[in-house]
Amino acid sequence: KAGVTQTPRYLIKTRGQQVTLSCSPISGHRSVSWYQQTPGQGLQFLFEYFSETQRNKGNFPGRFSGRQFSNSRSEMNVSTLELGDSALYLCASSQGAENTEAFFGQGTRLTVV
Amino acid sequence: AQSVTQLGSHVSVSEGALVLLRCNYSSSVPPYLFWYVQYPNQGLQLLLKYTTGATLVKGINGFEAEFKKSETSFHLTKPSAHMSDAAEYFCAVRVSGGYNKLIFGAGTRLAVHP
Repeated sequence: KAGVTQTPRYLIKTRGQQVTLSCSPISGHRSVSWYQQTPGQGLQFLFEYFSETQRNKGNFPGRFSGRQFSNSRSEMNVSTLELGDSALYLCASSQGAENTEAFFGQGTRLTVV
Repeated sequence: AQSVTQLGSHVSVSEGALVLLRCNYSSSVPPYLFWYVQYPNQGLQLLLKYTTGATLVKGINGFEAEFKKSETSFHLTKPSAHMSDAAEYFCAVRVSGGYNKLIFGAGTRLAVHP
């Protein structure tokens, strides 16, 4: 069974640009969550999608957005990039119930210059 | 609000020694608790989870954790450290009613010396 796939693995963008990251969950999983990992703030929850609907959101500005498609694949978008957006962005997939575990992808390392 | 505290940002042990990584949580309702491991430039790998039932939970790679409600703790242990255990370890609590939102501790970097 394939794991969680995130593309691309590495990305370099310039301040002010926008970026789209992609996540393909484990087959059969309907929940996709996104996290930002930085040395200073650690792992922070961005948002969660379940059956194409956002059902939870973290404390990030509106520049951070996401969506989920009917095949459960998800994308997150960051507009007007800032230097502070440089981070490892992790996607997690789960079946959706609260007592089920989340499986993480390898992450996308975003560097903003 | 739920939170997780990992005591010790860095832990160093000798190969073959006991590994003990500490995690305390704050939750007003019975929590779901998880330990993850992260190797350099990798994502998070689930080691073990506690949802309900048995308080001693066994995971992969010889790790186990015990849920102690009275102490609000979920410490991770391994009887004998191996060089390959060197990594960063994260304790996490799932927010009740928050679906799949995980609150993570700051992480503990484990170093294993020969």
